[in-house]
Amino acid sequence: NAGVTQTPKFRILKIGQSMTLQCTQDMNHNYMYWYRQDPGMGLKLIYYSVGAGITDKGEVPNGYNVSRSTTEDFPLRLELAAPSQTSVYFCASSHPRDRGRGYTFGSGTRLTVV
Amino acid sequence: LAKTTQPISMDSYEGQEVNITCSHNNIATNDYITWYQQFPSQGPRFIIQGYKTKVTNEVASLFIPADRKSSTLSLPRVSLSDTAVYYCLVGDDRNTPLVFGKGTRLSVIA
Repeated sequence: NAGVTQTPKFRILKIGQSMTLQCTQDMNHNYMYWYRQDPGMGLKLIYYSVGAGITDKGEVPNGYNVSRSTTEDFPLRLELAAPSQTSVYFCASSHPRDRGRGYTFGSGTRLTVV
Repeated sequence: LAKTTQPISMDSYEGQEVNITCSHNNIATNDYITWYQQFPSQGPRFIIQGYKTKVTNEVASLFIPADRKSSTLSLPRVSLSDTAVYYCLVGDDRNTPLVFGKGTRLSVIA
């Protein structure tokens, strides 16, 4: 049981480049989330999804896009990378019936935009 | 969403019990209280969740008074490996994504 898998673990982008951060979970969780964490700060919600085909904005969605075509996958797309998007990105998942188990987080993608 | 207030940092010696208190004056009826632990370069890890009174698991205890306006995470006999950031979150996580604050940075000293 792998849990939540994020790829890549590290990436350096040039300003204006685009990339997709991958997130896959094998726990059949309906809910999935993308957070970003800047140095010394808490996590901020970018986007979330309550099921395939359904996505919604979080606190800081500008500059990002998501899609949810399957239950397992929730990729995060950066179209025009900016230095302000330098951060660690965490994907998480949960199931609405799993009260008392919380969110399962991936190990993160560390992104640097130069 | 209910806002939470918790200390920025705490220090403790190994073997001591650590209590981290979180204030959440505007907690709603449907809200649960959830605590996460985060080590450097890792994603947060769920520790414990409760609604009222006391909840205990193999890692920690969570004390919630009757008015639910605060909660206390208790870590028994901490070790160096408990050095981490601890987040208190309040919300109905089955319906609304959880919002993370800055957390409490716990440093355990030998």
